[in-house]
Amino acid sequence: KQEVTQIPAALSVPEGENLVLNCSFTDSAIYNLQWFRQDPGKGLTSLLLIQSSQREQTSGRLNASLDKSSGRSTLYIAASQPGDSATYLCAVTDTGNQFYFGTGTSLTVIP
Amino acid sequence: DTAVSQTPKYLVTQMGNDKSIKCEQNLGHDTMYWYKQDSKKFLKIMFSYNNKELIINETVPNRFSPKSPDKAHLNLHINSLELGDSAVYFCASSQVSRVGYTFGSGTRLTVV
Repeated sequence: KQEVTQIPAALSVPEGENLVLNCSFTDSAIYNLQWFRQDPGKGLTSLLLIQSSQREQTSGRLNASLDKSSGRSTLYIAASQPGDSATYLCAVTDTGNQFYFGTGTSLTVIP
Repeated sequence: DTAVSQTPKYLVTQMGNDKSIKCEQNLGHDTMYWYKQDSKKFLKIMFSYNNKELIINETVPNRFSPKSPDKAHLNLHINSLELGDSAVYFCASSQVSRVGYTFGSGTRLTVV
C-alpha cells in the first residue's frame, strides 16, 4: 500500500526566506503527484500537479520537482510571505484515481 | 471496508437531465467535501459540510445542490445538466482537528 510522508511536520521561517518542503512515497507506480495548501477551516487548494512523466512544474514563486524512481518530491517556495502560512499537503494518485495524502507540513512565515 | 465510497463510478447522461451522485464515509469524520477535477487534473472545491452544516460554497451554478442527510453522507444533485458539467467529481472527508483527507475514487460524469 502506498505511504506518503512529509518532512518537516512544521516549519517556521522569517519572511523573505526561501524554503523547501519534502514529500516521499513508497510506491513509484504513480499517475501524478500534487501539492496542495490547506487554510484553516477551508478545503484544499491545488498548487501544482506533476504528471509521472514530468520532472518539475513551476507556478510563480512555487517550484515542485519529482523524482519518481527515488519516490521523492520537493516543493520550493521562493521569497516566502506571511500569506504563505498554511498547511501544505502532497498527494500521489494511482491509475485508479485513488489519492494518497501525505502527513502535511504546517508552515508559518513570520513577518 | 471502503472508507469513502461514491456511486456511480461512471455516469453518462443527456443534456437537460437531473442526476445525483452519492457519497458515504465510514470513518467517523465530521467534514465532507465535493471537488471537481478540471481539465488540468486540478481539484477545485465545490462544497464542504461540517456535521451536516454547509461551511463552504464556492462559486458553482445553483443547478448543483449538495444534500447531507447525516454526517456520514453528502450527496450531490445536479439539475439541467450541461455539456460543461462533464468532469470527474470527487467526494472526500476529513476530521477538522486533524490533517489529512480521504478521497473517494471519483465519478466520471459525461454529458452528451
